[in-house]
Amino acid sequence: EPEVTQTPSHQVTQMGQEVILRCVPISNHLYFYWYRQILGQKVEFLVSFYNNEISEKSEIFDDQFSVERPDGSNFTLKIRSTKLEDSAMYFCASKKGQGVETQYFGPGTRLLVL
Amino acid sequence: KNEVEQSPQNLTAQEGEFITINCSYSVGISALHWLQQHPGGGIVSLFMLSSGKKKHGRLIATINIQEKHSSLHITASHPRDSAVYICAVERNTDKLIFGTGTRLQVFP
Repeated sequence: EPEVTQTPSHQVTQMGQEVILRCVPISNHLYFYWYRQILGQKVEFLVSFYNNEISEKSEIFDDQFSVERPDGSNFTLKIRSTKLEDSAMYFCASKKGQGVETQYFGPGTRLLVL
Repeated sequence: KNEVEQSPQNLTAQEGEFITINCSYSVGISALHWLQQHPGGGIVSLFMLSSGKKKHGRLIATINIQEKHSSLHITASHPRDSAVYICAVERNTDKLIFGTGTRLQVFP
């Protein structure tokens, strides 16, 4: 069964460094999302992406964050200058079409900023 | 105030018990999702509901749109059902708004 994959599974970085989290959505999906979950807290929406554009972003998704679909398969989240509070699990998700459909989640990348 | 509230926050059960997890929401929605988060962190979609009831194996999800309430039931619970169960709602846009989750532990 097709699945969303994410790399790396874990990343440790120093405060102020740039990180890129990578996701490969399910191949025929058109809608892509990033969510994050700080340890012990609920999952929060970061950004949605369709047709090579951001559809919606949350207040968390400030100028330090960017997303890109550099080729036909990868979907990346970049954090330009990481802060301690960026430490979290980051989930990528994708869905096939417009409207109410199941979103399929990747296994997550656990980011630790020191 | 959270837009999505779940109860209970924690739940322990003996193997074989019938389990109910509740979700209430305060906003208009286009759909409600039940998800399962494994101890390792991965999230799996269990159900997506706009109305009525859905069943998959030992899992049943119901929704009452008028009362803004949904329940997830697990029949004949098993230790492998131990996980965090999360309710999330979808509004006019397709971003998901998550509840805080219910941590379920089923003991043999």
